Amino acid sequence: DTGVSQDPRHKITKRGQNVTFRCDPISEHNRLYWYRQTLGQGPEFLTYFQNEAQLEKSRLLSDRFSAERPKGSFSTLEIQRTEQGDSAMYLCASSLAGLADKETQYFGPGTRLLVL
Amino acid sequence: AQSVTQLDSQVPVFEEAPVELRCNYSSSVSVYLFWYVQYPNQGLQLLLKYLSGSTLVKGINGFEAEINKSQTSFHLRKPSVHISDTAEYFCAVSRYSSASKIIFGSGTRLSIRP
Repeated sequence: DTGVSQDPRHKITKRGQNVTFRCDPISEHNRLYWYRQTLGQGPEFLTYFQNEAQLEKSRLLSDRFSAERPKGSFSTLEIQRTEQGDSAMYLCASSLAGLADKETQYFGPGTRLLVL
Repeated sequence: AQSVTQLDSQVPVFEEAPVELRCNYSSSVSVYLFWYVQYPNQGLQLLLKYLSGSTLVKGINGFEAEINKSQTSFHLRKPSVHISDTAEYFCAVSRYSSASKIIFGSGTRLSIRP
């Protein structure tokens, strides 16, 4: 069990550029979640997938944000035309849908984005 | 809608002293409750979770939490802390019916003094 992995771990970009982050969930997990965490705050839910289907999106996910999980395995989160307010830690989590006691979300180490 | 309030942003304690991190929740439906820990520059790790049943939940690293439904609280406790417990602690809630997303509190920074 290699856990949830995220790439890159750190990203510095200039305002207006596009960035893409990748998340690889635990292999047998069919649910995948994206959260955003700003400094001094708890994580905020962005979106989640069950297999390939994106089942819920937060109002925080503006039109500049898009997430995909094309084959039901890894996922990508893209931010277009980045703004300084997008600077945050982007966390990915995965879980196995089913019995409640199995639905623990396991988090990756996060991708820290800094928009200059 | 669900929400979580962590009553203390920072809690300093001496090593080997007991600690309690306070959390209140609100929800119009039954919920799951969680405590997560985040060590510096790392992701979140689940400490413990309440789904149903006993009001006292035991977790990893000697932590436990007790749900009080009349006061809508879910405080985290440890009888004796260690330097390695220095971290940010997050109380969280999700809906009973789907657990599709977790709503986190703003966190409590626990600092341990030798």
